[in-house]
Amino acid sequence: GQQLNQSPQSMFIQEGEDVSMNCTSSSIFNTWLWYKQEPGEGPVLLIALYKAGELTSNGRLTAQFGITRKDSFLNISASIPSDVGIYFCAGRSSGTYKYIFGTGTRLKVLA
Amino acid sequence: NAGVTQTPKFQVLKTGQSMTLQCAQDMNHEYMSWYRQDPGMGLRLIHYSVGAGITDQGEVPNGYNVSRSTTEDFPLRLLSAAPSQTSVYFCASSLDSLRSTDTEAFFGQGTRLTVV
Repeated sequence: GQQLNQSPQSMFIQEGEDVSMNCTSSSIFNTWLWYKQEPGEGPVLLIALYKAGELTSNGRLTAQFGITRKDSFLNISASIPSDVGIYFCAGRSSGTYKYIFGTGTRLKVLA
Repeated sequence: NAGVTQTPKFQVLKTGQSMTLQCAQDMNHEYMSWYRQDPGMGLRLIHYSVGAGITDQGEVPNGYNVSRSTTEDFPLRLLSAAPSQTSVYFCASSLDSLRSTDTEAFFGQGTRLTVV
């Protein structure tokens, strides 16, 4: 079946640093989504990508849909303490209903 | 606009008990799904529905039943709870997922279930 590898699994960074994380798929996706989950809450959508090569920003967050359509990247610039949480990627292939989720990147920001 | 609403938020069950986790959305979304989240495992799909009257199994369906009698509601039933079903359960909904855009999934706040 389809697999989605997300890395890194966890990150400890200093406030103000930039963060990069990525997801790779064993198959081609036509949609990539990035979510953030805070403790005790459900995942909240950050960015949606629908086109290979697409680069989309949401404030300090920027995500890219890889050219091969098998990967996606999320960058956070100038991190702040409220960026703490688990970041998930999710992908979907053309003609299917189901999203496949990565296992998450746990981000901790040290003030 | 409430989005996706899940009830209850917390539940403790004894092994063998049954219960229903409720999920409702007010966005007129066709597609609804249930996930469970366990440490280190990410979100795993239990069951999903592409419209009223249509349901299908996901990755980990055993021990769970669903039905979709209306567009708005998608309850998840545990017929005989087991400790292995201790988890956090999330319901999600999205527009017609065969569209090319605007198909992102929106999640409820989750139900934290403990089976003892």
